This record gives sequence, structure tokens and C-alpha cells, in this order.
Amino acid sequence: AQSVSQHNHHVILSEAASLELGCNYSYGGTVNLFWYVQYPGQHLQLLLKYFSGDPLVKGIKGFEAEFIKSKFSFNLRKPSVQWSDTAEYFCAVKYMEYGNKLVFGAGTILRVKS
Amino acid sequence: KAGVTQTPRYLIKTRGQQVTLSCSPISGHRSVSWYQQTPGQGLQFLFEYFSETQRNKGNFPGRFSGRQFSNSRSEMNVSTLELGDSALYLCASSPGGGSSLISGANVLTFGAGSRLTVL
Repeated sequence: AQSVSQHNHHVILSEAASLELGCNYSYGGTVNLFWYVQYPGQHLQLLLKYFSGDPLVKGIKGFEAEFIKSKFSFNLRKPSVQWSDTAEYFCAVKYMEYGNKLVFGAGTILRVKS
Repeated sequence: KAGVTQTPRYLIKTRGQQVTLSCSPISGHRSVSWYQQTPGQGLQFLFEYFSETQRNKGNFPGRFSGRQFSNSRSEMNVSTLELGDSALYLCASSPGGGSSLISGANVLTFGAGSRLTVL
């Protein structure tokens, strides 16, 4: 079955701390990988995406993610978080053989203390 | 260009009633997908429409249905509402065409959602 696991449901960091949010997916076929962010009171926005090529992808606001195919992982990182990064982060996977639908992880709520 | 527009933003219904939600995709996007977001189940795929045809369907009962019009606008309907249908219903649009599916350019852009409360 298609499933996506996010390792932490709640993360609290101080400003300037480094961030790494884990994401693992089932299945070893062809996938597209995404991180979406939902800021308080706002709608889901695309943070970054991986389709093919360089496994290290860079997104908006200084975020990056690394695709490790052997580990079925797509972890999100940011070297130094800001208070404005407080949001809920969702990892999502498109399993190519199942068409144009996303399977989402449960989400990680990040709170950054100023 | 304008984003994905969903109406209404908020609505309250009672058990047994039905509800229709509307979604206008980004201009030029031909695929519209619907997702349900709840605290307990997270984000779950309902269905996808492309060129007025349902192209993909999630694991929801038949009470949940949808359609797409020739201008790509989409509606979803939930009949015989249950308390558990209370959720944020998200619509997402994407180019949806074959070449974009293959190239991976078929990125979903989400609307703000319609928050349904069933009493």
C-alpha cells in the first residue's frame, strides 16, 4: 500500500537552530516527491519538489531536501530557522503508476520560539 | 494569475443534508483534484477530474461525488451528511496533460478550502 511517514508530529526549535524533518515513503517504483507548508490561517503552499536528477533540491525560503532512493526518504532541512517558519509541514508523494494523486504524510507542526 | 478559488469558505449543515462545494482552477489548468483534511485522518485524496472525466478516485463512500464542467470548474457533492464528514475540503488544480504528467511538471496548486461543519 502507498504510505508516507513523517517522523515527528511536533517540533519546537529556537530561532537560528537547524531543522531536519524526516519523511519516508513505501514502495520502490517511480515517484515524485513534494514538501508543502501550511502557515497559520493560510492555504497549502508548495515548498519544493523532486522529479528527477540531482537528489538535493532547493526550495523557497532557504529550505532544501535530499532524496535518498535506497532509504525511500526525502528529508527536509533548513540550516537556520526563523520565527516566520512556524507552520505545519507536509511531505507528499506521487506514485507515478497510480496517476495524478498525492499521498500525504500526517504532517509536522513546527513552532519556532523567538 | 488568479489562484484556485473555492466557495463557500465556511458552511454549517446538519446530519442527513447534502452539500455542494465549488472549485475554480487556475486558468489553463485542466485537472482538478479534491482532498479531505481532518485532524484525525490528515489529508486524503477524494478524486481527480480531467477534461470532464473522473480520472482517479480515492477510498471514500459513494456519498462523495464530483463533476467537472467544460470550463474546468469542478463541484463536489456529499449526500446524507454524517458528523464525520466535518472537515476542510481542499481543491487543487494542475495542468494535468499527458506531457506534464510524464515530465513531472504536474504540480498541484491548492485553494484555501471549504470548511464544512456537520451538526
